[in-house]
Amino acid sequence: GAGVSQSPRYKVAKRGQDVALRCDPISGHVSLFWYQQALGQGPEFLTYFQNEAQLDKSGLPSDRFFAERPEGSVSTLKIQRTQQEDSAVYLCASSLNYRSYNEQFFGPGTRLTVL
Amino acid sequence: DQQVKQNSPSLSVQEGRISILNCDYTNSMFDYFLWYKKYPAEGPTFLISISSIKDKNEDGRFTVFLNKSAKHLSLHIVPSQPGDSAVYFCAASALQAAGNKLTFGGGTRVLVKP
Repeated sequence: GAGVSQSPRYKVAKRGQDVALRCDPISGHVSLFWYQQALGQGPEFLTYFQNEAQLDKSGLPSDRFFAERPEGSVSTLKIQRTQQEDSAVYLCASSLNYRSYNEQFFGPGTRLTVL
Repeated sequence: DQQVKQNSPSLSVQEGRISILNCDYTNSMFDYFLWYKKYPAEGPTFLISISSIKDKNEDGRFTVFLNKSAKHLSLHIVPSQPGDSAVYFCAASALQAAGNKLTFGGGTRVLVKP
């Protein structure tokens, strides 16, 4: 497809379970971002990849959150031992390069509900 | 500390009239500003942007104004259409080596009444 895709679209997890969220960016896009959007709020930055390098992980809320992009394309956000406060929509965005301002294209998000 | 704020959580406007959405920021390092539109169950889609070297940018029915001294920007939609009903997010960025991450406001829900 032409846009950013994310899977699954919806995920329900029991507290303490591990989850993995997948992002397929637009082909050829160098930059990839993960954001977390809590109910009724704007998205908040989690982490940034330039190709396969994770250059900024300052927004990850705890060491239970881990992200990777091993081949510089698909990325996975993993949350270990999920907690209720992890319930949110997780958005992935990609942009063409990092050298200048580029529009970030967002995927539809994964809605995570932790019971 | 919220660096980007949208103080109006909602806005209702009649079809054909002007919608004005406001956004304030505190970080003087921000030098690029964007507006995104979001429908339910979809990701945000880019609407319009402005660099800090400009004070106005126009694209069809959408115009963004930037007042750097007041750290304030606004989005004008003229004329408003029912399809414009959505949540609008203001976002800001600072050019830096490790990507241009976006800092978002809390959003304004716009309802355009026919």
